[in-house]
Amino acid sequence: ETGVTQSPTHLIKTRGQQVTLRCSSQSGHNTVSWYQQALGQGPQFIFQYYREEENGRGNFPPRFSGLQFPNYSSELNVNALELDDSALYLCASSPRWADEQYFGPGTRLTVT
Amino acid sequence: DAKTTQPTSMDCAEGRAANLPCNHSTISGNEYVYWYRQIHSQGPQYIIHGLKNNETNEMASLIITEDRKSSTLILPHATLRDTAVYYCIVRVGVYGGATNKLIFGTGTLLAVQP
Repeated sequence: ETGVTQSPTHLIKTRGQQVTLRCSSQSGHNTVSWYQQALGQGPQFIFQYYREEENGRGNFPPRFSGLQFPNYSSELNVNALELDDSALYLCASSPRWADEQYFGPGTRLTVT
Repeated sequence: DAKTTQPTSMDCAEGRAANLPCNHSTISGNEYVYWYRQIHSQGPQYIIHGLKNNETNEMASLIITEDRKSSTLILPHATLRDTAVYYCIVRVGVYGGATNKLIFGTGTLLAVQP
């Protein structure tokens, strides 16, 4: 148990819809990163938030967007869902200058 | 970030040491070696990291070759609960100023056998 929680656990959406995934970071952690993990692959970095500002982004289109709130919790929003967006979405939190990242259990998104 | 190469899978007998290799021949002087693991259906878990000296913690040991082009993660007494995908990641340390993102490959599936 890392103290990082994500909701919902599972989600089924239809192509073209929009989805919001939520993450509560571990107490005291001001940095949140989001990763996408397709079946059989390693996690891929989407973006990171530090003190409510985006602090780095991976190779994902603009329809992937995020927010970080003053309590350091975070949301990942995906617009115009595509079938290839089906994946496990992982959130990780850490203090800004920490070497370790602490991952939540993930949200399994299925797009039909 | 430097690319890493790991075997796709390995087996280990319960109670024996598991030695997981990683090649990172293009590693730069300011890049660290990190190891994470992912047990099925869970988020990745940090194990250990190092720059050039060997490191040990309560979970594992990390042996980095003198030229830093390869490393080995050692689980001294593997248990069934150590069955997981192990990821070797190379990146600039957080004090280098870069976003502390992790670039995962496909990792090594370690199967600990009873």
